[in-house]
Amino acid sequence: DVKVTQSSRYLVKRTGEKVFLECVQDMDHENMFWYRQDPGLGLRLIYFSYDVKMKEKGDIPEGYSVSREKKERFSLILESASTNQTSMYLCASSLRQGRNEQFFGPGTRLTVL
Amino acid sequence: GQSLEQPSEVTAVEGAIVQINCTYQTSGFYGLSWYQQHDGGAPTFLSYNALDGLEETGRFSSFLSRSDSYGYLLLQELQMKDSASYFCAVSGYSTLTFGKGTMLLVSP
Repeated sequence: DVKVTQSSRYLVKRTGEKVFLECVQDMDHENMFWYRQDPGLGLRLIYFSYDVKMKEKGDIPEGYSVSREKKERFSLILESASTNQTSMYLCASSLRQGRNEQFFGPGTRLTVL
Repeated sequence: GQSLEQPSEVTAVEGAIVQINCTYQTSGFYGLSWYQQHDGGAPTFLSYNALDGLEETGRFSSFLSRSDSYGYLLLQELQMKDSASYFCAVSGYSTLTFGKGTMLLVSP
């Protein structure tokens, strides 16, 4: 059974803290993505990666960075968390070619106090 | 840029048929996808249309008209478990741009 896992289901951090969200996929997918989901706004792409050590900005990259040192792992980093980064964060992966079917992890609900 | 429009909420009764429309404005269009998300769950892939026409998968069908920048998801024989949010998404070369989602409420 294919799987995308995320390191935490719930996370509470304080303003100014550095936050790491980890995502691992076991499908040997080239592409990996980080989204945030907020009520009424749908899923918005933060960053994506199409290969190891490669990264591309999505629609809302400000305040975030990413790291992809291994093909199966994609990390989202909040250098200095702020309250407006309180959100649900979803990781996804897909094959490079084809219909872009993305497989999502269960999400991390991050609260920044 | 890319933008998608879909209704925010649709209600229907068990056994009925419901259609969720999606219009889009985009550059670099490769296809239109649909995803389902139950409350508290992860989005899951339902369908993908790269060409004009209707694609059928069981009770669900999806339609695309590239000339009209329009598509829809058709759900037949609605069941209570179909209550969820449904997102249309435009495929670029590697990425998806999602609409804001349609919450479908199925009542007995």
